[in-house]
Parts: sequence; C-alpha cells; structure tokens
Amino acid sequence: GQQLNQSPQSMFIQEGEDVSMNCTSSSIFNTWLWYKQDPGEGPVLLIALYKAGELTSNGRLTAQFGITRKDSFLNISASIPSDVGIYFCAGYPNTGNQFYFGTGTSLTVIP
Amino acid sequence: EAGVAQSPRYKIIEKRQSVAFWCNPISGHATLYWYQQILGQGPKLLIQFQNNGVVDDSQLPKDRFSAERLKGVDSTLKIQPAKLEDSAVYLCASSFQPLGGYTFGSGTRLTVV
Repeated sequence: GQQLNQSPQSMFIQEGEDVSMNCTSSSIFNTWLWYKQDPGEGPVLLIALYKAGELTSNGRLTAQFGITRKDSFLNISASIPSDVGIYFCAGYPNTGNQFYFGTGTSLTVIP
Repeated sequence: EAGVAQSPRYKIIEKRQSVAFWCNPISGHATLYWYQQILGQGPKLLIQFQNNGVVDDSQLPKDRFSAERLKGVDSTLKIQPAKLEDSAVYLCASSFQPLGGYTFGSGTRLTVV
C-alpha cells in the first residue's frame, strides 16, 4: 500500500506555542484529510483539502495541500491543553481507491 | 445527527477463539469501512462496502476475517480463529461519498491473549 510519512513523530510544546506538522509521500494525491484522535476514541475529521495549493482553516487550525500534490501541512496556532492527541493525515492517491493514513504525530501541550 | 455506533467497546479473548464486532453507520451513509489500528500506527483499511456490496477487501485476511453488510445498513466483522497479532482497535467508519471524509466510531479494542 501507499506510504505516508508524518513528522515529527511526537511533539512536546508549551501552551500558547504554535505547532507545525507535515505529511509526505512519494505518490501524487487528489485529496488530503487531517484527523485528530483522542485516547480511546476514533479519529475526528478536522480539515479536508481537494486542490493543490489549497489553504483551509478551521478555527486555530490551518492546513495546506502541497503544490507538488505529494505533501500536506497542518498548523495549530496558540496551542491549548485540549489540543493534546494524535494527529493523522490521510491521502487519496491519484491512482487509488481508498484513503491511506499516516503514522501519526503525537502532540503534548504543557500548561 | 447520531454518530457511528460500535459494539462492544472492549473484548478480551484467547487465541484461536472467534469474535464479532458490530457497526451501525450514520443514517444515509452508503459507504462503510472497517479499519484495523495497531497500537502506535495509523488505521489500515480492511474492507469497504458501498451499500451492501464489497468495493475493496484486498487487505482483509480472508482466511480468518469475514465481514458482511446485510441490507446495506449495519455491518459485522468476524475473526475466526483469532491470533495474537490481531490485537488492535477495530474502527468502523461511514461516509456519504468516499471523498467527503469519513466519520469514525469509537472503535472496539480487541486483546487476544
């Protein structure tokens, strides 16, 4: 299957700091999704991206569809304790029929 | 709207036993997915249904896993016999259309001992 590499693998930040994470692949993707997963729960959709270069915001979250169509980025501004969780990217490849998920970025926010 | 319902939330079984998971998707969502999420990894698709037909089951270990979606609504995923490496969270998700993003249930955490 497709391989999506997320980095960093984990982050420890102070409350109020901004966060950046990314997702890269060797393949071209048509759609990128960003999810957040809390412990013991299923992933929750944060942002969906459908066009190369697209920049979409959801509150303090902003995600971008990379212009090469092989990567995507998620930024969180002014982090708060409830931002703690694991963030997954998911991509729908140009020649595929399913979403593939990245390995996740674990975010810890220190009050 | 009600979310994706899954049961049970937790299950512990011995290896070689069988187990079944149940999923009720969001009303009106034609597409239903079963994912396996091993600890520390992202979800991996096992099977995708469109209404009551299978769209993709290429990653389903068919010698021990089976799934059905009778009447195009509820779905069950069965493992028989279970192996230690089947320990994971089994997530059900549904969507109105495949590229619209999925809504996940809370999952069933399976531990095989």
